[in-house]
Amino acid sequence: DSGVTQTPKHLITATGQRVTLRCSPRSGDLSVYWYQQSLDQGLQFLIQYYNGEERAKGNILERFSAQQFPDLHSELNLSSLELGDSALYFCASSVGATRDVETQYFGPGTRLLVL
Amino acid sequence: AQSVSQHNHHVILSEAASLELGCNYSYGGTVNLFWYVQYPGQHLQLLLKYFSGDPLVKGIKGFEAEFIKSKFSFNLRKPSVQWSDTAEYFCAVGWADKLIFGTGTRLQVFP
Repeated sequence: DSGVTQTPKHLITATGQRVTLRCSPRSGDLSVYWYQQSLDQGLQFLIQYYNGEERAKGNILERFSAQQFPDLHSELNLSSLELGDSALYFCASSVGATRDVETQYFGPGTRLLVL
Repeated sequence: AQSVSQHNHHVILSEAASLELGCNYSYGGTVNLFWYVQYPGQHLQLLLKYFSGDPLVKGIKGFEAEFIKSKFSFNLRKPSVQWSDTAEYFCAVGWADKLIFGTGTRLQVFP
């Protein structure tokens, strides 16, 4: 158990819908990262929050947004869903902010299926 | 664009065989290097990391990796695999506040 929790574990929805994925970081970690893992593209970095502020953006679509709340949990909002958004979404957390040196602790992921 | 390549997508071995998984990257400057592992049904976890010093790094569960700067490589090795090493292995390369993961190598070990 990494100490990072993600809900829900599985999500099935229809095209055009909106969903919210939730992540709680390890106790004491200030950074939260979101990744998308699909079969053909591996682990793609979406966005990082550090202590409530957006810190880095990766390949995140405009239809996707995220935020980190004062209690440090984070939510990833996916809207106008398309079939291609079906993937495994991981959250990770770390103590510090610098992506290239921090050990990241990953949650179990949310498997999203868009029908 | 900078990239991280894991050429072996799927590796199948028998127990006690030796393992080497390749990881190559394209960035020419100073890098930090990681290997993460994802066992079936579990979360990704850190196997080992290299920032500086001895280019041969030892990690958990008998794994090691060697950084060869001239080859832009950070290959993962284990002299004798076990069935419990069946997992997906991800190389990640960091520099200048960025971290890029490779596409992963699925390892299957048969008894």
